[in-house]
Amino acid sequence: EAGVTQSPTHLIKTRGQQATLRCSPISGHTSVYWYQQALGLGLQFLLWYDEGEERNRGNFPPRFSGRQFPNYSSELNVNALELEDSALYLCASSPDSNQPQHFGDGTRLSIL
Amino acid sequence: RKEVEQDPGPFNVPEGATVAFNCTYSNSASQSFFWYRQDCRKEPKLLMSVYSSGNEDGRFTAQLNRASQYISLLIRDSKLSDSATYLCVVALNYGGSQGNLIFGKGTKLSVKP
Repeated sequence: EAGVTQSPTHLIKTRGQQATLRCSPISGHTSVYWYQQALGLGLQFLLWYDEGEERNRGNFPPRFSGRQFPNYSSELNVNALELEDSALYLCASSPDSNQPQHFGDGTRLSIL
Repeated sequence: RKEVEQDPGPFNVPEGATVAFNCTYSNSASQSFFWYRQDCRKEPKLLMSVYSSGNEDGRFTAQLNRASQYISLLIRDSKLSDSATYLCVVALNYGGSQGNLIFGKGTKLSVKP
């Protein structure tokens, strides 16, 4: 069974640009979560989607947004990139919101 | 106060040692509890869920004390391959659903030969 897949693996952008990160959950999983892991800060919750709806968002500015598609894959969009957005962005999925989450390998976003 | 707090570490132990990690959480509405393991520059992987009755998986034992809002992980007979960062994780209850995870910063374990 394929795990959670994320693309791209690495993404290099400059300040002010926009970034799009993609996530395909494990087959059959309907809940998708996005987390940011910045150096020294630990994993911080960003967004939670379930059945195409945004269920909750973490303490991040509105320039962090996303969506979930009918096939349950998801996109994370970050607008007006800032240097401090440099981090590993991890996507996780679960069969439903009451099951343990399984993580993808992440997208490493570097802002120059 | 941080939502999930863990021993800062790092823990440097010899092979075969028993090591214990502690964690406290601040929100009494926390519904589910987990230990995840994260290897350097890798994604977190679920190690085990934690139940009020305590649970064991081989060399790993997890305990939950809801009254004290305290979670522990015990690793017996530690192996070199146990070297990793151990993340204490809780999930709140959102309208009956588990919801997103709240991570501690993690405790780094280094097992030496």
